[in-house]
Amino acid sequence: SAVISQKPSRDICQRGTSLTIQCQVDSQVTMMFWYRQQPGQSLTLIATANQGSEATYESGFVIDKFPISRPNLTFSTLTVSNMSPEDSSIYLCSAERAGGPSTGELFFGEGSRLTVL
Amino acid sequence: DQQVKQNSPSLSVQEGRISILNCDYTNSMFDYFLWYKKYPAEGPTFLISISSIKDKNEDGRFTVFLNKSAKHLSLHIVPSQPGDSAVYFCAASRYNQGGKLIFGQGTELSVKP
Repeated sequence: SAVISQKPSRDICQRGTSLTIQCQVDSQVTMMFWYRQQPGQSLTLIATANQGSEATYESGFVIDKFPISRPNLTFSTLTVSNMSPEDSSIYLCSAERAGGPSTGELFFGEGSRLTVL
Repeated sequence: DQQVKQNSPSLSVQEGRISILNCDYTNSMFDYFLWYKKYPAEGPTFLISISSIKDKNEDGRFTVFLNKSAKHLSLHIVPSQPGDSAVYFCAASRYNQGGKLIFGQGTELSVKP
């Protein structure tokens, strides 16, 4: 298994500001992902964080709003830019175990709960 | 378009009895179906999965059943324990796109002593 640490665990932010969430995995993983869980909603994939190249974004999410970095195999950041109250969510970092077919067995961090005022 | 649906937002069960959580999906191209468990203030943890070529997978007290013709899966927990109280998410993925999970809305299970 892999242990994923995220920080901050929670924050209260002002409208129009940006916040960067950090994600650290305790072992090398092939794939890292960022998910969002809006209040009362299911988890939605924002993007796949690719090591050494630009992230791959899902429909409805763009790089200008959610820039992602992944400088190595164990670390990634997600920035939520120019925040509005609609960005109030739990943001979750996840990773897939290395090796074998990709089946969806992901490890998740504890999440970063952002509240935008 | 909600491709994975959990129509019951909550379920209450007596300790020792069976808990049955249901999930429906619309996309016949899904290859894997998974259940995740989430406690408050924690990230989801993987519980059990099933490939689309099977109709049942069992792991201890947890069994997942897949009915492809009905596009329906269910998670059975027997016997239910108070520590099972959590939110359960159903998820689906396509082959070799495992990280791109489509999640249901979740069902909050409460197991009462």
